[in-house]
Amino acid sequence: DGGITQSPKYLFRKEGQNVTLSCEQNLNHDAMYWYRQDPGQGLRLIYYSQIVNDFQKGDIAEGYSVSREKKESFPLTVTSAQKNPTAFYLCASSIILGNTEAFFGQGTRLTVV
Amino acid sequence: SQKIEQNSEALNIQEGKTATLTCNYTNYSPAYLQWYRQDPGRGPVFLLLIRENEKEKRKERLKVTFDTTLKQSLFHITASQPADSATYLCALDNAGNMLTFGGGTRLMVKP
Repeated sequence: DGGITQSPKYLFRKEGQNVTLSCEQNLNHDAMYWYRQDPGQGLRLIYYSQIVNDFQKGDIAEGYSVSREKKESFPLTVTSAQKNPTAFYLCASSIILGNTEAFFGQGTRLTVV
Repeated sequence: SQKIEQNSEALNIQEGKTATLTCNYTNYSPAYLQWYRQDPGRGPVFLLLIRENEKEKRKERLKVTFDTTLKQSLFHITASQPADSATYLCALDNAGNMLTFGGGTRLMVKP
């Protein structure tokens, strides 16, 4: 089955630690995205990638980093510089950037302990 | 400033009635608008996309309208069912074709 997979579903991090969230898709999509969702809030864009080996900052990129070395994979690292990392993180992909439906993963809930 | 506004209060309706959700936007000129459904603890699922030159779009019990003069989209679910209970998000394209999401409206359909 084609789809987009995020792992892990739940993640706990100690303050001061970096942590990497995985996102893999087998839909052959060029564009991939990372969003953050806080309770009762909409989705805010962290980073996006239009094509492999290229990525751009979204609205709230500070404290995060990404890579896009393979078309299928777009991992997100939450660094210790992110002041309030506890949130629900959603990865998505689409055939091309914009003007087309986005397919979302099931999300990773990150909690700082 | 740019805003996408959806009613943050939950919408409670009786089974069988039509649910109408609103998405208003300010200082955007979207070429298209999308609606997604999100269940608790899950990722959003795409429902419908409507382009700026389309007034209305339908899919089964769903209907979306897009009024670029009023800067508003309405999302209707006819003959609503308890299984329709979820949060519904609207999203529109921002500069660079990026999707920007509203805060969502939670719909509760009571049997």
